[in-house]
Amino acid sequence: EAGVAQSPRYKIIEKRQSVAFWCNPISGHATLYWYQQILGQGPKLLIQFQNNGVVDDSQLPKDRFSAERLKGVDSTLKIQPAKLEDSAVYLCASSRPRDRAGYGYTFGSGTRLTVV
Amino acid sequence: AQKVTQAQTEISVVEKEDVTLDCVYETRDTTYYLFWYKQPPSGELVFLIRRNSFDEQNEISGRYSWNFQKSTSSFNFTITASQVVDSAVYFCALSEETSGSRLTFGEGTQLTVNP
Repeated sequence: EAGVAQSPRYKIIEKRQSVAFWCNPISGHATLYWYQQILGQGPKLLIQFQNNGVVDDSQLPKDRFSAERLKGVDSTLKIQPAKLEDSAVYLCASSRPRDRAGYGYTFGSGTRLTVV
Repeated sequence: AQKVTQAQTEISVVEKEDVTLDCVYETRDTTYYLFWYKQPPSGELVFLIRRNSFDEQNEISGRYSWNFQKSTSSFNFTITASQVVDSAVYFCALSEETSGSRLTFGEGTQLTVNP
């Protein structure tokens, strides 16, 4: 089974620029998550999708972050405009609909963003 | 609110030593799930174990063992006879039944095993 694919692997941008990350979950996984992991910290959930609907975006900074999953498969996370404190690894994960409470998660390798 | 605390920021041991990584959690739910993940330098999160709140039986898997104690809200992880390949950041995580699939992670413990 192919894993969760993310691209790009690395990205360096200047502050106030915009950036987008892409995630393709495991086939058949209806639930998709974006986590932000700042250096030296644990991952923090930004947004959770069930198919193409948002389940939880309570921790997403909506003034600059946006995410979509239009066809219920792959997803894009965008930051516009970026700030220095957005430097982090952005992890995508997916799970099956019947997986509850953290079971069955598979994480991608992440996109490391550096804002200079 | 759910919270996970990993008080040990960094641990350094010599190969073949045993090492225990501590994890303390807070939750108001009676049904919850605890996890340990390994994050090697390559960056991906590797699932190690999950436990639900109704199963306090300790578990052993090869050189890994886990001690779950509800009385102290702890879910500690022990590596026996550590190896250099065990060097990584280890995260403890919590998911509450009422919070859906959200995982709340601790800050992680950087384990370095020296030859």
